[in-house]
Amino acid sequence: QSALTQPASVSGSPGQSITISCTGTNSDIGIYHYVSWYQQHPGKAPKLMIYDVTYRPSGVSNRFSGSKSDNTASLTISGLQVEDEADYYCASYRRSTTVVFGGGTKLTVL
Amino acid sequence: EVQLLESGGGLVQPGGSLRLSCVASGFTFSNYAMNWVRQTPGKGLEWVSGISGGGDDTYHADFVRGRFTISRDNSKNTLYLQMNSLRAEDTAVYFCAEDLSIGLTGYFHNWGQGALVTVSS
Repeated sequence: QSALTQPASVSGSPGQSITISCTGTNSDIGIYHYVSWYQQHPGKAPKLMIYDVTYRPSGVSNRFSGSKSDNTASLTISGLQVEDEADYYCASYRRSTTVVFGGGTKLTVL
Repeated sequence: EVQLLESGGGLVQPGGSLRLSCVASGFTFSNYAMNWVRQTPGKGLEWVSGISGGGDDTYHADFVRGRFTISRDNSKNTLYLQMNSLRAEDTAVYFCAEDLSIGLTGYFHNWGQGALVTVSS
C-alpha cells in the first residue's frame, strides 16, 4: 500500500479538463507545502511536472496546474491532448526527512 | 543537456551485495543534491536515498536504512548506491535523479534511464 492515495485511473476526451487527487495525512501533505507531480510514459523515466504544490519547471505546459487543500493535493490538466496519456504520480515530503509517493494514476485520453 | 547514466544493475542472490553507479554530465554536479528512486510493478515509485551536493548529509528510507549507503564523488561526477543484505523485495528498476537544489528538496528534476536489480536465487 502506497503512502499517498491516488485513483487508479482517470479518463477524459481531447480538449476536456481532468483532475487527479492525491490524499495524504497530517504527517505529509497536511503540514508541508512540498508536493510534486510526475508524468511517466511507458518505458520512460518520470518527468517533473509540478513542484512546491503549484510551480511548473521551465518547459512544462501551463495546461498543467497544481493545488492543495488540507491533506489532499490535486493535479489538473486542461485542454487534454493525446500526448498527455501517461501515468501520473504525486509525491510529498514527510516528517523525518523522507519523500513518499502515491501509487500512480493512469490517465487515458479517449 | 543533462545526462544521468546508471550502471551496476544485475542479478544477485538474496543476502548479496551490489553497487550502483550514476555518472552525471551537462550540469555542475556538486551544486545539486542527488537521489536514488526505485520502481516496481507492484509498489510503483519509492524514494530510496538522497545526498546533499557536498555529500555531507545523507538520508535513507526506513526500509533500506542500515542496508543501503548513498555516496558521491564530485571529482568524478558520480553518484553511488551500495546495497547490502539484498532481499527479494528490493527487486526494482533503480533511477538516479537530480534534485532541484544543493540540499535535499525531494523534487527530482532530471532522471537517468534506470538500472534493473533482480534479487533471486
